[in-house]
Amino acid sequence: RKEVEQDPGPFNVPEGATVAFNCTYSNSASQSFFWYRQDCRKEPKLLMSVYSSGNEDGRFTAQLNRASQYISLLIRDSKLSDSATYLCVVRRGGSYIPTFGRGTSLIVHP
Amino acid sequence: GAGVSQSPSNKVTEKGKDVELRCDPISGHTALYWYRQSLGQGLEFLIYFQGNSAPDKSGLPSDRFSAERTGGSVSTLTIQRTQQEDSAVYLCASSLASGGPPYNEQFFGPGTRLTVL
Repeated sequence: RKEVEQDPGPFNVPEGATVAFNCTYSNSASQSFFWYRQDCRKEPKLLMSVYSSGNEDGRFTAQLNRASQYISLLIRDSKLSDSATYLCVVRRGGSYIPTFGRGTSLIVHP
Repeated sequence: GAGVSQSPSNKVTEKGKDVELRCDPISGHTALYWYRQSLGQGLEFLIYFQGNSAPDKSGLPSDRFSAERTGGSVSTLTIQRTQQEDSAVYLCASSLASGGPPYNEQFFGPGTRLTVL
């Protein structure tokens, strides 16, 4: 089983839709969690860190479920500009090396 | 403020040649990472520097790859005797420190696209 797994998609949604992605991780010692977005032929950019209590930033909400070992990203009121690949990143406790998922592709259409 | 910068943005080389890729991290960031990303693939960790500590080289794919970080700032990734399978985008990232978020949030440079003919 891969350390970090994501559904590659693509998720194809209309503008205004709500869409959610999950990311599962295999190592229960994982302690830090992040969502990055990566546009085509661009570098990854930090979207948000994921905290144990869950956190929200505008239209984006991230949740952590330690019992089931997954994190989620919810995007409300999707915009065309949200079209990108969303990368899940997990770092084990005691390790400084994060593990990146392969990403989930989102396409928002008019 | 200035973000992470990398140079060159593109590099085309012939098989067997050596290449040097440069990364300037965000000022004050003590942690620096190199990754590579092949077309349609995820990010592959290569090497990690933290302050003046010995680097974690566990991701380097072969002894043709090496990296240095001078003065705790600028880093250079060197690939000797390049092969066609080395073609990829090489990304550098830095973070403020190595603790928990937000200190370990990584900020990426624009990458160097390496093509080995």
